[in-house]
Amino acid sequence: KNQVEQSPQSLIILEGKNCTLQCNYTVSPFSNLRWYKQDTGRGPVSLTIMTFSENTKSNGRYTATLDADTKQSSLHITASQLSDSASYICVVSATGFQKLVFGTGTRLLVSP
Amino acid sequence: EPEVTQTPSHQVTQMGQEVILRCVPISNHLYFYWYRQILGQKVEFLVSFYNNEISEKSEIFDDQFSVERPDGSNFTLKIRSTKLEDSAMYFCASSTSGLNTGELFFGEGSRLTVL
Repeated sequence: KNQVEQSPQSLIILEGKNCTLQCNYTVSPFSNLRWYKQDTGRGPVSLTIMTFSENTKSNGRYTATLDADTKQSSLHITASQLSDSASYICVVSATGFQKLVFGTGTRLLVSP
Repeated sequence: EPEVTQTPSHQVTQMGQEVILRCVPISNHLYFYWYRQILGQKVEFLVSFYNNEISEKSEIFDDQFSVERPDGSNFTLKIRSTKLEDSAMYFCASSTSGLNTGELFFGEGSRLTVL
């Protein structure tokens, strides 16, 4: 069954600190992996999209990694800001399908 | 910056009533989607739409649901006879080239509350 698991479920960090969020997936055949940021009550906003051949991708203070062999990804946030408080969702697409498989997300709270 | 717009932002309805949620995708996009998110749960796929027809749908998307692109700009989701469990945030999304390569842009959502 196509599934995406994320850890931790929630995380509290101090402003200015770094953090890393984890994602494991069993989606097959793999097409691409995306990380989205979702503020409470809002639509998801794309951070990165990575294909099979990409190991790392950055978008400002966000850096995503992908290990397609172990089916794991991580999202590293550098120098966190209060505005980073949100849910971060790992999303995987399977080749030949027009639907995304969403993880349950990691709820991040950045505290002053 | 182009964006996906959805109306209404919040709708309250009685069980058994019909509801239509409206979306205006980004203008040059060709692929359209509806997703939903029940409060506190993950986002779930409902349906994808391309070339004026459904290309894929989930088991959630039963006969009570339908989608339509009535003109060149709107994309609607209709729920014929709402149930309590249809209460959720419904997100419309669009893409230029599908999910194999394309970025997917989401709207801000329509919150549906069924009483």
